Amino acid sequence: ETGVTQTPRHLVMGMTNKKSLKCEQHLGHNAMYWYKQSAKKPLELMFVYSLEERVENNSVPSRFSPECPNSSHLFLHLHTLQPEDSALYLCASSQDWAGADNEQFFGPGTRLTVL
Amino acid sequence: AQTVTQSQPEMSVQEAETVTLSCTYDTSESNYYLFWYKQPPSRQMILVIRQEAYKQQNATENRFSVNFQKAAKSFSLKISDSQLGDTAMYFCAFMISIASGAGSYQLTFGKGTKLSVIP
Repeated sequence: ETGVTQTPRHLVMGMTNKKSLKCEQHLGHNAMYWYKQSAKKPLELMFVYSLEERVENNSVPSRFSPECPNSSHLFLHLHTLQPEDSALYLCASSQDWAGADNEQFFGPGTRLTVL
Repeated sequence: AQTVTQSQPEMSVQEAETVTLSCTYDTSESNYYLFWYKQPPSRQMILVIRQEAYKQQNATENRFSVNFQKAAKSFSLKISDSQLGDTAMYFCAFMISIASGAGSYQLTFGKGTKLSVIP
């Protein structure tokens, strides 16, 4: 595997389910990101991790819980979601958290549908 | 707050022709970066081109070039000799420093322009 991978690619869950999204980067980067992409809306940055430490949390509801056990893996734990949380969730990574020289590399996304 | 506006939700272009995608942004900052990202139907987003605001020269990357008008806060993308593989969503994005220290840079995206290249 190369680049940034995400599993699963598609997920359907009920509002009472608990599920997790997984992201893995094979680029040796130190920073990882979760974005939410909804139809007709700009991408929204949710969380930023740098060297496994959360450095940004953009007022995301607590039903989304990120976890970064090491610099190569990032999880998004989902619990008691709402239908409006249905979206494409994109993971990205970059060499470091700061600076526009650090190009962000994106994964293919997980298409989440909440019933 | 910074905003990025892409006024063309959808566009189409004939293969081998040239197309220009528009982007405007609003900021009071003077030091920032601008980007165009491409998201093909397979959904993996990739960086197409980047422009530093302090550079007057427009960035160019093979068939892709930008027209950066700092005073007008405009950042358009020109695709020359369009190819079928250029069919994708194109996102304009903007980055400034939002705070000193950790987590100091954040990308703000526009809503995107869906480009279709017609054979």
